[in-house]
Amino acid sequence: TQLLEQSPQFLSIQEGENLTVYCNSSSVFSSLQWYRQEPGEGPVLLVTVVTGGEVKKLKRLTFQFGDARKDSSLHITAAQPGDTGLYLCAGINQAGTALIFGKGTTLSVSS
Amino acid sequence: EAQVTQNPRYLITVTGKKLTVTCSQNMNHEYMSWYRQDPGLGLRQIYYSMNVEVTDKGDVPEGYKVSRKEKRNFPLILESPSPNQTSLYFCASSFGAPGYEQYFGPGTRLTVT
Repeated sequence: TQLLEQSPQFLSIQEGENLTVYCNSSSVFSSLQWYRQEPGEGPVLLVTVVTGGEVKKLKRLTFQFGDARKDSSLHITAAQPGDTGLYLCAGINQAGTALIFGKGTTLSVSS
Repeated sequence: EAQVTQNPRYLITVTGKKLTVTCSQNMNHEYMSWYRQDPGLGLRQIYYSMNVEVTDKGDVPEGYKVSRKEKRNFPLILESPSPNQTSLYFCASSFGAPGYEQYFGPGTRLTVT
């Protein structure tokens, strides 16, 4: 069974701090996606990483895909209250029919 | 505006009373799916559809039905709801297979008493 494990589960930090969220698996994924979900809304795609070792930057967010394509990380520099939300990683199952989601990291950034 | 719409957004019902949650997308997407989101369990897929008239079970299909008679609509049917189906439900669609960006609806919060 393919699983994606995210850590930490909860993160509460002050504005301006840096943080890293991890997404790990024992399975190889062809690609991984990162979504952010705000209260009362559905998840919204932030980025898709496809190549092992790939690094993508989205303003203050940096996403990395592990060389073996089994893990990924999301690093936020100088977090802001607007970064508050649930961060989810997701990968395609082996049958190619569904996304498997990690359980998410709830981030709270206070000013 | 490209979007996925779900109705209703909130629903409180009683055990055994059949209900339907509608889902519609205006992006001509082929792939649609339903998820439920529960604390501590995350997002789990209920059913998916690769195209019109093609549907299949996800990870947690028990107690649910779906149909895909038109490309834009993918309703979720609970024939006899039970309290363990109390959850937050999301419909999602994408251009093709799940590797493409998934567009999620705003969610339907269902409470079964």
